[in-house]
Amino acid sequence: NAGVTQTPKFRVLKTGQSMTLLCAQDMNHEYMYWYRQDPGMGLRLIHYSVGEGTTAKGEVPDGYNVSRLKKQNFLLGLESAAPSQTSVYFCASSVARGTSGGGPAQYFGPGTRLLVL
Amino acid sequence: EDQVTQSPEALRLQEGESSSLNCSYTVSGLRGLFWYRQDPGKGPEFLFTLYSAGEEKEKERLKATLTKKESFLHITAPKPEDSATYLCAVGGTNAGKSTFGDGTTLTVKP
Repeated sequence: NAGVTQTPKFRVLKTGQSMTLLCAQDMNHEYMYWYRQDPGMGLRLIHYSVGEGTTAKGEVPDGYNVSRLKKQNFLLGLESAAPSQTSVYFCASSVARGTSGGGPAQYFGPGTRLLVL
Repeated sequence: EDQVTQSPEALRLQEGESSSLNCSYTVSGLRGLFWYRQDPGKGPEFLFTLYSAGEEKEKERLKATLTKKESFLHITAPKPEDSATYLCAVGGTNAGKSTFGDGTTLTVKP
């Protein structure tokens, strides 16, 4: 199993350009998440999905859109990139319930490094 | 609102020098306390889940413990390959979502 994969690994954009980050998982997980990680600010949740065809806003959703047309894929779009969106983006996935019926652990991809000039 | 605070921000140890990392949390309805390891330039890697106070989990030189207000990650006789950033997260009542701390960066010198 490849686990969680992300495409691309690195990208440079100019302000105002658009792009889509692709996340794919082969673990048949129900839930998927997009985070951004900035120095000194930890992991912040952008959007998440609890199933195919569903999405919801996280902590920092402004400037981003997402889609989950297939269970295994979760796309993150930037319609008009801004320098403030320079960050490392991580995708993660999880089952719906952890062991003992509690919350599930998340499994992360390798990240996409995005630089917006 | 769920909150997670990790301390210290950075920890430097000599090889073999045992220590502990702290994760303090406030959450309405804990559904799990998670520890992850993150190496530079890589995504976080899941280590442990703890669900109830008093629970302990072990993996090689690492042992995680949980109380009602905090969790500790104990590192016994660390080696240089244990150098990484360790992240703590809590899962609240909203199924699936976790709130992460800022992490503790551990450096183990030979």
